[in-house]
Amino acid sequence: AQSVSQHNHHVILSEAASLELGCNYSYGGTVNLFWYVQYPGQHLQLLLKYFSGDPLVKGIKGFEAEFIKSKFSFNLRKPSVQWSDTAEYFCAVNPSGTGGYNKLIFGAGTRLAVHP
Amino acid sequence: DTGVSQDPRHKITKRGQNVTFRCDPISEHNRLYWYRQTLGQGPEFLTYFQNEAQLEKSRLLSDRFSAERPKGSFSTLEIQRTEQGDSAMYLCASSLRGATTHHEKLFFGSGTQLSVL
Repeated sequence: AQSVSQHNHHVILSEAASLELGCNYSYGGTVNLFWYVQYPGQHLQLLLKYFSGDPLVKGIKGFEAEFIKSKFSFNLRKPSVQWSDTAEYFCAVNPSGTGGYNKLIFGAGTRLAVHP
Repeated sequence: DTGVSQDPRHKITKRGQNVTFRCDPISEHNRLYWYRQTLGQGPEFLTYFQNEAQLEKSRLLSDRFSAERPKGSFSTLEIQRTEQGDSAMYLCASSLRGATTHHEKLFFGSGTQLSVL
C-alpha cells in the first residue's frame, strides 16, 4: 500500500535555526508531492508542491523542498525559522493514475515548536 | 479564511446515535472532498465529488457512512450508529477542476471534531 513517512513527530528549534523535515513515500510510479501546514487554530493550507521539472521547489514564507526520486524523498527546508513558523507540517503524495483528482495520502505530521 | 465552511465545529454524541455534518465549499468550486483525521495522524481520504456525482469512496467508509452533494453545492456526511472509533476530525476540502491536477488547489475547511462517548 502507498504510504508517506515523516521521520520526526516533534521538532523544537530556536529562532534563526535551520529546519529540515524529512518525508519519504512508498510508490514506484509518478507522484505529485505536497507540503501542507496547519498553524494553531487554523485550517490546513498549501505550503508548496512538486509536479515536474526542477526538483527544488520554492514555496511561501521562505520554505523550499527538494524531490530526490532515487531516495523517494521530499524533504522540507528553511534556512532560518521564526517563531511564527510554529505549526504542524504534513507531507502528502498524490499518486498518478488517481483519475486526475487530489486523492492525497498524508503523512502523520511533524509538530514544530520555535522558541524565541 | 479559505471560504470552506463546516458545521458544526464540534459534535459530542453517544454511541449508537446518528450524526450529520455539513460542508459549504467555495461557491464556484465543482470538486469536493471529505477527509478524516484521527489524533496523531494525517488526514485520510474518505470520498470525492465532482459536481453532484460521488466518484470515489474509500474502503474506510463503511456502510454506516453516507455522503451526498445534492445539486453540486453543499455536501453532507452522515454517520449512522456511531461507534467510539468514529471519533475524529472530519475535514472538507473543495477545489476548481483544472486542466490537470497541477492546476488544482485544495482549500480545506476547519473541520468538524466528532467525539463519540
